[in-house]
Amino acid sequence: EDQVTQSPEALRLQEGESSSLNCSYTVSGLRGLFWYRQDPGKGPEFLFTLYSAGEEKEKERLKATLTKKESFLHITAPKPEDSATYLCAVRRSGTYKYIFGTGTRLKVLA
Amino acid sequence: NAGVTQTPKFRVLKTGQSMTLLCAQDMNHEYMYWYRQDPGMGLRLIHYSVGEGTTAKGEVPDGYNVSRLKKQNFLLGLESAAPSQTSVYFCASSYPQGENQPQHFGDGTRLSIL
Repeated sequence: EDQVTQSPEALRLQEGESSSLNCSYTVSGLRGLFWYRQDPGKGPEFLFTLYSAGEEKEKERLKATLTKKESFLHITAPKPEDSATYLCAVRRSGTYKYIFGTGTRLKVLA
Repeated sequence: NAGVTQTPKFRVLKTGQSMTLLCAQDMNHEYMYWYRQDPGMGLRLIHYSVGEGTTAKGEVPDGYNVSRLKKQNFLLGLESAAPSQTSVYFCASSYPQGENQPQHFGDGTRLSIL
């Protein structure tokens, strides 16, 4: 069964304290792994798509990496405005469906 | 360019009442989806559509119906609302080309069933 597990559930960081969020997945025929950011009261906002093991994508203080079993979202020197819930999703080949993890709630303290 | 727009943003219903949630997208996307988001359970797929006039069941379809009469609109209906349907509902859309296209989401409808 296709499954996505994110850890930790919640993370509190001091401003400037770098860390990583984990997304472990089980899916046959991965056709894409997606990272989203969700702010309170808003819909998920697309950040990155990763297609194959070894791939990396960067955007400002965020860097996403992918292996055959998991993806990491690295946050370098975070700022309070990076506080949000980060969601991971996968799509299996031959389907129209995306499978989401339950997210990591990140709080960055000034 | 509004992206994905959901109406209404908030609604309170009594058990047994019916209502329709509207999703509109202006990106000419073929695929559209309805999800519900509950604490600790993540986003769960209710129904989806791969084109105008088509619909299919997702992970949690019971108690909901959908229609896609126009390419840009995807409607979610609750015929007889139940307290278990209290949730935040999100609509999303995506391009069909390639299987690695991300979804674009609306800002949700917060629905409470009393």
